[in-house]
Amino acid sequence: DSGVTQTPKHLITATGQRVTLRCSPRSGDLSVYWYQQSLDQGLQFLIQYYNGEERAKGNILERFSAQQFPDLHSELNLSSLELGDSALYFCASSGSSGGADWGETQYFGPGTRLLVL
Amino acid sequence: QKEVEQDPGPLSVPEGAIVSLNCTYSNSAFQYFMWYRQYSRKGPELLMYTYSSGNKEDGRFTAQVDKSSKYISLFIRDSQPSDSATYLCAMSAMTTDSWGKLQFGAGTQVVVTP
Repeated sequence: DSGVTQTPKHLITATGQRVTLRCSPRSGDLSVYWYQQSLDQGLQFLIQYYNGEERAKGNILERFSAQQFPDLHSELNLSSLELGDSALYFCASSGSSGGADWGETQYFGPGTRLLVL
Repeated sequence: QKEVEQDPGPLSVPEGAIVSLNCTYSNSAFQYFMWYRQYSRKGPELLMYTYSSGNKEDGRFTAQVDKSSKYISLFIRDSQPSDSATYLCAMSAMTTDSWGKLQFGAGTQVVVTP
């Protein structure tokens, strides 16, 4: 158990809908990362938040957005869903070791499996 | 061309054998190199990370980084059926605009047969 929790575990929805995925980082971790894993694209970095502020962006679609709240939990919002958005979405966290945090030790949650029908 | 190349396998080995995994990369800015293990339908689990070149050993696992060849390896000694999983390499450049961005390989599926 990495200490990172994600809800829900599974999500089935229809095209055009909007969903929210939730992540709670490990105790003390300030950084939260979101990744998408699909069969054809592998594990892709989407976005990073550090202590409530966006720090880095990857190949995140404009239909997707995220935020990190004062209690450090994070939410990933996916809207106008398409069939191709079906994937595993992982949250990871880092930063409780103190000092500079380059994100080299990221601990992943169990993921949310999204199926868009 | 992908920044990180990794053979997807599957790689099948008998129990007790040494598992040898590797990745190549093209971005010379990469400084941190990691190996993750992912069991089916689970989150990736950090196995090891190495900064810059050299070797690092942890129990049955040895990670090697050769920056001059842009090549990293993971060796698993005395492999067990419980080592059957997908192994992903990941790397990151230590720059402010790539802070926290991990670039993953496609993952190699390993099967250890009893």
